Amino acid sequence: DAGVIQSPRHEVTEMGQEVTLRCKPISGHNSLFWYRQTMMRGLELLIYFNNNVPIDDSGMPEDRFSAKMPNASFSTLKIQPSEPRDSAVYFCASSAPFLAGLPGTGELFFGEGSRLTVL
Amino acid sequence: DQQVKQNSPSLSVQEGRISILNCDYTNSMFDYFLWYKKYPAEGPTFLISISSIKDKNEDGRFTVFLNKSAKHLSLHIVPSQPGDSAVYFCAPTSGTYKYIFGTGTRLKVLA
Repeated sequence: DAGVIQSPRHEVTEMGQEVTLRCKPISGHNSLFWYRQTMMRGLELLIYFNNNVPIDDSGMPEDRFSAKMPNASFSTLKIQPSEPRDSAVYFCASSAPFLAGLPGTGELFFGEGSRLTVL
Repeated sequence: DQQVKQNSPSLSVQEGRISILNCDYTNSMFDYFLWYKKYPAEGPTFLISISSIKDKNEDGRFTVFLNKSAKHLSLHIVPSQPGDSAVYFCAPTSGTYKYIFGTGTRLKVLA
């Protein structure tokens, strides 16, 4: 029973390089989220997709960040060019539709994260 | 503008005793509250939730209490076990996809 799968688990790159993080959500989940975790800001939502369509990208820090979801089983988060302040753990999460009053719905299932270090 | 605050960054508890983790929020529109547990080098995992129509929800050793008037919720773990040592996040939402995560409380259960 596969959970959310993220790759790579660790990425070390130099400032200015392009970084691509990948995510495979749980089959049947129609919502996908990209979060970033830092010491200063905690877990913050970057972008939310519903049925492969970006619904809310207000958390994307700047134009250097972009995310795509070409199909229901794959998403990417790209940073170009990368900067040292982008160093963080990036989590992908997916969920089934939230149904009020129905336990077990609306929960986010997280991947193990991609730890990015930009030198 | 912190809508969700977990004021205790860390907590140490003896094995077998009760652990109480607190969460305060400011947005009165929040109506569904989740707790997540996170081990090092892993993603957060769902622990327990509560709807605003309830003031208590229990699941085994874990109980969440909600005080809407005080905009406060707490997670009780009884009895605490060493395997409960993790970072705990509360994450409320106003019925939408947008969960606002607190800063987390690191629980250490001492054997």
